[in-house]
Amino acid sequence: AAGVIQSPRHLIKEKRETATLKCYPIPRHDTVYWYQQGPGQDPQFLISFYEKMQSDKGSIPDRFSAQQFSDYHSELNMSSLELGDSALYFCASSPTTGVRNTEAFFGQGTRLTVV
Amino acid sequence: DAKTTQPPSMDCAEGRAANLPCNHSTISGNEYVYWYRQIHSQGPQYIIHGLKNNETNEMASLIITEDRKSSTLILPHATLRDTAVYYCIVRVSNTGNQFYFGTGTSLTVIP
Repeated sequence: AAGVIQSPRHLIKEKRETATLKCYPIPRHDTVYWYQQGPGQDPQFLISFYEKMQSDKGSIPDRFSAQQFSDYHSELNMSSLELGDSALYFCASSPTTGVRNTEAFFGQGTRLTVV
Repeated sequence: DAKTTQPPSMDCAEGRAANLPCNHSTISGNEYVYWYRQIHSQGPQYIIHGLKNNETNEMASLIITEDRKSSTLILPHATLRDTAVYYCIVRVSNTGNQFYFGTGTSLTVIP
């Protein structure tokens, strides 16, 4: 079965550079979520989108922005990168039935290293 | 926003049932109970969810108390590959509503 695809899988950037992470949800899933997981930490919610509109917002820094496109894929844009942004970034997707969505399925993540 | 409480770690013998508890005493009537697990550095994996009835699928069973203030995830025959951090999450299933990951239970399956 098709899963959530994230690209790239690994990314190395220097401080103050920008990075763009991409997420391709499972077909027919209209909701995407972004999470950040630092070393030894639990996943922290950043932001979510439903039908191309922001749905929920967590601890996403102002230096980060995200959007969902007409084909439902999503991109997380990160600017002025800091060493502390080094983390695993997970995307998840879920389908919606009526006004509800239940389980979300996660991709394998993008490991961002800022040097 | 810690809405759940889980023991930080547990051990289980291979082949035995693993019973992972979760307290969610402040759960609201419209909040579901979800379980996810994360094997080292992989994406969290959905296991099961429920509202008030017990649920079972090919991976696990979810037992929710009648007052819904606690639940137990049961892995009927634990294998070494079940070693992971298990997260219990309560969530209103509105579109796009976040899944809040707390600290979870680190389950180690022992040969």
